[in-house]
Order: sequence, then C-alpha cells, then structure tokens
Amino acid sequence: AQSVTQLGSHVSVSEGALVLLRCNYSSSVPPYLFWYVQYPNQGLQLLLKYTSAATLVKGINGFEAEFKKSETSFHLTKPSAHMSDAAEYFCAVSEEISGTYKYIFGTGTRLKVLA
Amino acid sequence: DAGITQSPRYKITETGRQVTLMCHQTWSHSYMFWYRQDLGHGLRLIYYSAAADITDKGEVPDGYVVSRSKTENFPLTLESATRSQTSVYFCASSELFEQYFGPGTRLTVT
Repeated sequence: AQSVTQLGSHVSVSEGALVLLRCNYSSSVPPYLFWYVQYPNQGLQLLLKYTSAATLVKGINGFEAEFKKSETSFHLTKPSAHMSDAAEYFCAVSEEISGTYKYIFGTGTRLKVLA
Repeated sequence: DAGITQSPRYKITETGRQVTLMCHQTWSHSYMFWYRQDLGHGLRLIYYSAAADITDKGEVPDGYVVSRSKTENFPLTLESATRSQTSVYFCASSELFEQYFGPGTRLTVT
C-alpha cells in the first residue's frame, strides 16, 4: 500500500517569502498526486494535480509542484507568500485498489504567514 | 446548486444516540467516500461506494454504517455514538481519480 509523508506539521514564512511544503510518497508505479488546501471551517479544495503529463504542475493561486520520480517527491512551492495563503495543506496520492481509486492523505501541513 | 453538499454542518449529540450525516452530489459521480479528519491523522477513509447499492469498508469503518440507494446520496450513520467519534466528517465524490469534497460536518459527541 502506498503512503504519503508530509515533512513539518507547521511551517511559518514571512509575507513575500518562498513557500515550500514537502511531500514524499511511496509507490512502485507512477501515481496520481494531488495537493489540496483547507481554509478554516471549510472543505478541501484542489490546488493542483499530477497525472503523468508534465512533471511541473501549475495550480491555482500561484502554487506549483514538481514531480520527481527519483526522489519520490511532490513538493509544493509558491515564490511569494501572501497572507491569504495561511491554511492547511494536504498532499494525497491516488491508488487503484480493486477498480476503485482511493486517496491516501498525508497528515497535513499548517502554513502560517507572518506580516 | 451544483456540487456536493453535507448536512447538518454542525451537530452535537450524546453518547449512545444514533446520528445520520447526509451527503448529496449533483454530478452523478459513480464513486462516493466518507472520511473523518482528526488532528494528527489527516483524513482517514471510513467507507466508500462504487455505485448505488455497492459499498465497502475503508480504513476506520467500526461504529459506522452506510447505504446508497440512490447515486446522488450517501448517508453515514453512527449507530451508537461514542466520544471517540467526535470529529469532522467529509464526504467526497469522484468519477475517476480526482475527488471533490463537501464542506464537512463537525460532530461533537458528549
């Protein structure tokens, strides 16, 4: 079974600084990978997804992620943090099991943006 | 409204009571899922359904019951609520590998 590891349950950055949220997965085959964002008291919103096309994936709100097979990583980045980026971010991998695509989630990283 | 909705958004119940959380989607997606979100655990799959009348257990199914008589609805029932079931519950739907999530139900069991 696949697993997803998000390094750092809490990350703080200054406004305008680079955002880097780390995600590593375990998989013997190229997976489908996702980043979701969750704002307080809301559901999960898809930021971006990797589905075996381009390895650099661009998402909403200026975020992007790069799929690196050799490192089994799918880190999320944004060049310049904005106060509105403060939220919890989840990395997920989709695995087909018995004909159903199931998600395996990381435990989440809470991003704090400092003024 | 198109999308996926959950009701109620907030619920407080007592230990031992039965409670049902509702989930409705308007996309006619085949697959639907129930997750619970707890601090330090991320999201964990409770049950899922591949189509109407087809359901299967996820990672943490104990104490929960689901049904799916119609494609668009996927209710989750806690037959006898326990304090350990205090959590935020999310419903999701998908047609292939991308899931769409509802806004969640915050359940407190006292």
